[in-house]
Amino acid sequence: AQTVTQSQPEMSVQEAETVTLSCTYDTSESDYYLFWYKQPPSRQMILVIRQEAYKQQNATENRFSVNFQKAAKSFSLKISDSQLGDAAMYFCAYRSPNRDDKIIFGKGTRLHILP
Amino acid sequence: NAGVTQTPKFQVLKTGQSMTLQCAQDMNHNSMYWYRQDPGMGLRLIYYSASEGTTDKGEVPNGYNVSRLNKREFSLRLESAAPSQTSVYFCASSETSEPYNEQFFGPGTRLTVL
Repeated sequence: AQTVTQSQPEMSVQEAETVTLSCTYDTSESDYYLFWYKQPPSRQMILVIRQEAYKQQNATENRFSVNFQKAAKSFSLKISDSQLGDAAMYFCAYRSPNRDDKIIFGKGTRLHILP
Repeated sequence: NAGVTQTPKFQVLKTGQSMTLQCAQDMNHNSMYWYRQDPGMGLRLIYYSASEGTTDKGEVPNGYNVSRLNKREFSLRLESAAPSQTSVYFCASSETSEPYNEQFFGPGTRLTVL
């Protein structure tokens, strides 16, 4: 069975600095999808970025980028120029290529932004 | 567009009571999902509906039932609430159940079972 591990329960970063959140996963599949979701205090889950495993190029979305290391089964999220609005829980998630298969979420990393 | 809406936002039940959580989406999505989120845990899938007229069990279905009332609405029912069902419940929808599709989440329902 697939698992997703986020080893950092909490992290802090100074405003305008860069922070990297770690995520590792375990799977025997060769093709799959990886996601980072943000959950601010409002509780609403918001997709930050997604990566298809067959694509070697790392995904980027404005200040958010990933470092996808397929062989190491690592999928870290880098947030550049951190802003106060980035404070939230961040969840790494894995999804099998099988249609209808569920998303597997990690336990989350709480990110604090220090002014 | 309201996106995904859930009612109620908060609910307190006594053990053994029943209730239905409502979810609706206005994005014409085919697939809908119910998750629960417990402290220190990521979301876990309770049930999902890949398309109108179909429902399937997720990771933690025991104690719950679902109804896909129509394409827009997907309800979650607790027949006899237990303290172990205290959690935050999220409904989500996606265009299809293809894995690359983004899931859009509602604001959640915080349920406490005494």
